[in-house]
Amino acid sequence: AQSVTQLGSHVSVSEGALVLLRCNYSSSVPPYLFWYVQYPNQGLQLLLKYTSAATLVKGINGFEAEFKKSETSFHLTKPSAHMSDAAEYFCAVSERKTSYDKVIFGPGTSLSVIP
Amino acid sequence: NAGVTQNPKFQVLKTGQSMTLQCAQDMNHNSMYWYRQDPGMGLRLIYYSASEGTTDKGEVPNGYNVSRLNKREFSLRLESAAPSQTSVYFCASRRGGQGTGELFFGEGSRLTVL
Repeated sequence: AQSVTQLGSHVSVSEGALVLLRCNYSSSVPPYLFWYVQYPNQGLQLLLKYTSAATLVKGINGFEAEFKKSETSFHLTKPSAHMSDAAEYFCAVSERKTSYDKVIFGPGTSLSVIP
Repeated sequence: NAGVTQNPKFQVLKTGQSMTLQCAQDMNHNSMYWYRQDPGMGLRLIYYSASEGTTDKGEVPNGYNVSRLNKREFSLRLESAAPSQTSVYFCASRRGGQGTGELFFGEGSRLTVL
């Protein structure tokens, strides 16, 4: 069964610093990969997704993620953190083969931005 | 467009009571999902429906039942609520078919079981 791990349940960065949020998946076949963001008391919205077109994926609000098959990773980065980036970030996967409609989320990483 | 609509937004139950969470989407999506969100656990998939007439278990289906009433509606039922089911429940939908579609979420339903 596929699973998703996110190293670091809480990450703090200074405003203007690099943001790096980690995501690893466990699947024999690389799945489709997604990053979602949840602002306080809101639902989730899509930041970006990997569907095999390109390994470096750009998303909204200056975020990007790189798919690395050899490391089974899809880490999320942003060059310069902004106060408005403070939120909960979730990595998610859906399989390419059977059960491709099943979408599994990681436990999430809470990002704090320090002024 | 309303997107994904969930009702009720808040509910308090006593242990053993039953209730149904309603979810409807107006985006003509094939796939619909129910997740629960608990602190430190992320979103865990309860059940999903890849298309009208089909439902499948997710990661944590015990204690829940679902009904895909039609293409628009996907309900989640708690037959005998337990305190462990206190959580925030999210319904989501997506176009479905190839696994690449974006999930669209409702605003969530906060359930407390006493």
